[in-house]
Amino acid sequence: DTGVSQDPRHKITKRGQNVTFRCDPISEHNRLYWYRQTLGQGPEFLTYFQNEAQLEKSRLLSDRFSAERPKGSFSTLEIQRTEQGDSAMYLCASSPPGTTLGEQFFGPGTRLTVL
Amino acid sequence: QKEVEQNSGPLSVPEGAIASLNCTYSDRVSQSFFWYRQYSGKSPELIMSIYSNGDKEDGRFTAQLNKASQYVSLLIRDSQPSDSATYLCAVIKAGGTSYGKLTFGQGTILTVHP
Repeated sequence: DTGVSQDPRHKITKRGQNVTFRCDPISEHNRLYWYRQTLGQGPEFLTYFQNEAQLEKSRLLSDRFSAERPKGSFSTLEIQRTEQGDSAMYLCASSPPGTTLGEQFFGPGTRLTVL
Repeated sequence: QKEVEQNSGPLSVPEGAIASLNCTYSDRVSQSFFWYRQYSGKSPELIMSIYSNGDKEDGRFTAQLNKASQYVSLLIRDSQPSDSATYLCAVIKAGGTSYGKLTFGQGTILTVHP
């Protein structure tokens, strides 16, 4: 399968714990996005990487959230001191160079439940 | 006011009918418009993009854009039960700092019944 992959697919954690998610974009895709989606809502943008550079962050991304994309390949999203309000589906998307920015390929998501 | 709003659902149509999904956006600098389909428990997938006023057709799907009215729509002709999903309208603002940040509406649930 050459699509966007995310790991883990599900994560249950207790409030106050730290969690880390991984996203592997489609090979050769230099653009990588993180979104968050709650039930009944559309995805909300969190952050964007072009290669290894993080070029944009949403105000939704509080100090407890950090994202990296070392070497411009896979990316990680870490949430520190999780809160119940962090419970959501975290989606990663990628797109190749030279295409229209909005044409993004989404991964299956990581569903986070904070107890 | 939400940046992107979609007509409230759920929308139910009989098989073979035309399904009409509507979306309005608040920021006039929005330049690119997209329709994503999301099956239950799955991630969004792009089905249509439109950038200029008018209609764009792709198979059974037609996207319509009216920038003066800040309105985007998606028509699905000859609706099939397999079209049952949540349809997400998304926009990108103009300018180099947008970086492809998609702003999504809340989605409209479409059910096509046999």
